Amino acid sequence: DIVMTQGALPNPVPSGESASITCQSSKSLLHSNGKTYLNWYLQRPGQSPQLLIYWMSTRASGVSDRFSGSGSGTDFTLKISSVEAEDVGVYYCQQFLEYPLTFGSGTKLEIK
Amino acid sequence: QVQLKETGPGLVQPTQTLSITCTVSGFSLTSYYMQWVRQTPGKGLEWMGFIRSGGSTEYNSEFKSRLSISRDTSKNQVFLKMNSLKTEDTGVYYCARGTTLFDYWGQGVMVTVSS
Repeated sequence: DIVMTQGALPNPVPSGESASITCQSSKSLLHSNGKTYLNWYLQRPGQSPQLLIYWMSTRASGVSDRFSGSGSGTDFTLKISSVEAEDVGVYYCQQFLEYPLTFGSGTKLEIK
Repeated sequence: QVQLKETGPGLVQPTQTLSITCTVSGFSLTSYYMQWVRQTPGKGLEWMGFIRSGGSTEYNSEFKSRLSISRDTSKNQVFLKMNSLKTEDTGVYYCARGTTLFDYWGQGVMVTVSS
């Protein structure tokens, strides 16, 4: 199985500051078609996860342009350019290159 | 609009079978894959399996021997059945729509496995 490893944030992050969440995969997620099979989700407190980013860097419909995804085949970053109160929650990366689809353990974001 | 809602028993005894229904609206089950994902204290988010738009299924080998996913397209419902439950199966069970990205999720149903 592909293992997804996420880094921690130096919480709490001051409102208006940027935050970068890292995710590393145990295998390259770069497909031969040139696309990288990596998604990002946010789970706000008491809610279901919601899709933020797919194909490593494409924002889902309705997602603020404060969120951006980047990376290589195995190392990925979700950047929030100016954190706001509504960004609080746990962020998960997920690979969909192979079955079983696997998620990272999550990175918690708190705002000061 | 697209909606998904899980309904289930809440409390299940160890060794018994879990049955959860996901009722959807705003789209057709014959056009989308439907996924099951659970969230447990021990393992976080775990992909369990899916049923394709055509009706075939794929399971995480972690659950394969005891998991079954099916659907009734006439009722817009997808079903999860998992037998031989253990206490570590306690968690929130979600249905979600999508093939490789999960763009809509249900609210989840909390399942506690306890005697």
